[in-house]
Amino acid sequence: GQNIDQPTEMTATEGAIVQINCTYQTSGFNGLFWYQQHAGEAPTFLSYNVLDGLEEKGRFSSFLSRSKGYSYLLLKELQMKDSASYLCAVSDQTGANNLFFGTGTRLTVIP
Amino acid sequence: DAGVTQSPTHLIKTRGQQVTLRCSPKSGHDTVSWYQQALGQGPQFIFQYYEEEERQRGNFPDRFSGHQFPNYSSELNVNALLLGDSALYLCASSLSRTGELFFGEGSRLTVL
Repeated sequence: GQNIDQPTEMTATEGAIVQINCTYQTSGFNGLFWYQQHAGEAPTFLSYNVLDGLEEKGRFSSFLSRSKGYSYLLLKELQMKDSASYLCAVSDQTGANNLFFGTGTRLTVIP
Repeated sequence: DAGVTQSPTHLIKTRGQQVTLRCSPKSGHDTVSWYQQALGQGPQFIFQYYEEEERQRGNFPDRFSGHQFPNYSSELNVNALLLGDSALYLCASSLSRTGELFFGEGSRLTVL
């Protein structure tokens, strides 16, 4: 079966840096995704990692270690609008884009 | 360019009833996937439609069925509703079965 774990909730201060961890155990691996979901809205794509290492995109970075089944999303210079749920998802097969999601991490940014 | 649109946005049903949810994919996309997101949980894959056929299916019972039309829009049908079917139902479209997923804002179903 597929198992994806991430913390349920996190709180961080505006302007700070926060790291959201995700560990996964899947039957196959074809990439790891991070999505942002504000309450009552659609999930929106943040990042994709298929090879080990760090992918940087503005204030957001994502890291992957396939041997450890581990990823993290790093958010820098936090803003109040970053308060949202962050979903870790894994694609377990090539030729298909269906994703297995974790439960999501609800991040609250406080002044 | 309209993104993925879903209807209705909210609806309330009672146990045993049937429901149909609709999805129009992003312009140019030919593949539609459906996900169920229970409160406080991540989305769970229900199934995917491509070329008007179900191509992949997650771990959902046969009460969950779907359809894709020639214009690529799609419907999700759920029969014999249970309280546990209360959730946000997300539609995601993509260009081909391997393209990036674009999600709609979902249809929130409440079963009483």
